[in-house]
Amino acid sequence: DAGVIQSPRHEVTEMGQEVTLRCKPISGHDYLFWYRQTMMRGLELLIYFNNNVPIDDSGMPEDRFSAKMPNASFSTLKIQPSEPRDSAVYFCASSYLTSGGPNEQFFGPGTRLTVL
Amino acid sequence: AQKVTQAQTEISVVEKEDVTLDCVYETRDTTYYLFWYKQPPSGELVFLIRRNSFDEQNEISGRYSWNFQKSTSSFNFTITASQVVDSAVYFCALSSDSGGYQKVTFGTGTKLQVIP
Repeated sequence: DAGVIQSPRHEVTEMGQEVTLRCKPISGHDYLFWYRQTMMRGLELLIYFNNNVPIDDSGMPEDRFSAKMPNASFSTLKIQPSEPRDSAVYFCASSYLTSGGPNEQFFGPGTRLTVL
Repeated sequence: AQKVTQAQTEISVVEKEDVTLDCVYETRDTTYYLFWYKQPPSGELVFLIRRNSFDEQNEISGRYSWNFQKSTSSFNFTITASQVVDSAVYFCALSSDSGGYQKVTFGTGTKLQVIP
């Protein structure tokens, strides 16, 4: 398997623009996670899905952020309008359920977002 | 609420030295899972180990070993005979029943630099 795929790898945009980050999880995984990593706040869980349904979005910072998972092989994280404080590395991860509790999460390479 | 504390922000060691990365966790649940992940300079997080709260046996995998002590709420990670390739940021993480098992809380990470 190719692993978790994220695009784009780097994104530079101007304040106020819409940004869409994309993720393709590992085939067969039924959990998908979006994280944000910054120096100040570390690694934060934004939202996660189970079988394409959002389960917990309590980490989504504000209404400017939205995430969707229209099918098992694709998810998007959208920021509209973007602000300089959104600059971070955004990771997508996927996992699968086992009877033995939470399994390891497989992380994508991340999208480095810079908002000018 | 669950919390993970990695008090060591950065550690530098000379190659072949042993190094221990500390992790202290907080949770009210009796059933929980602990993880370690490695983030090399390339940026992608890589799973190292998962341990559930009922298994206090220490684990060794090559040069890596983990010491789980419920009495002190610690899950420390030791690298024996460190190598330059071990240079990375290491994250300790926790998930528990009340947080939703798939919802993982990460510590702030410890940056390890192994000097040749």
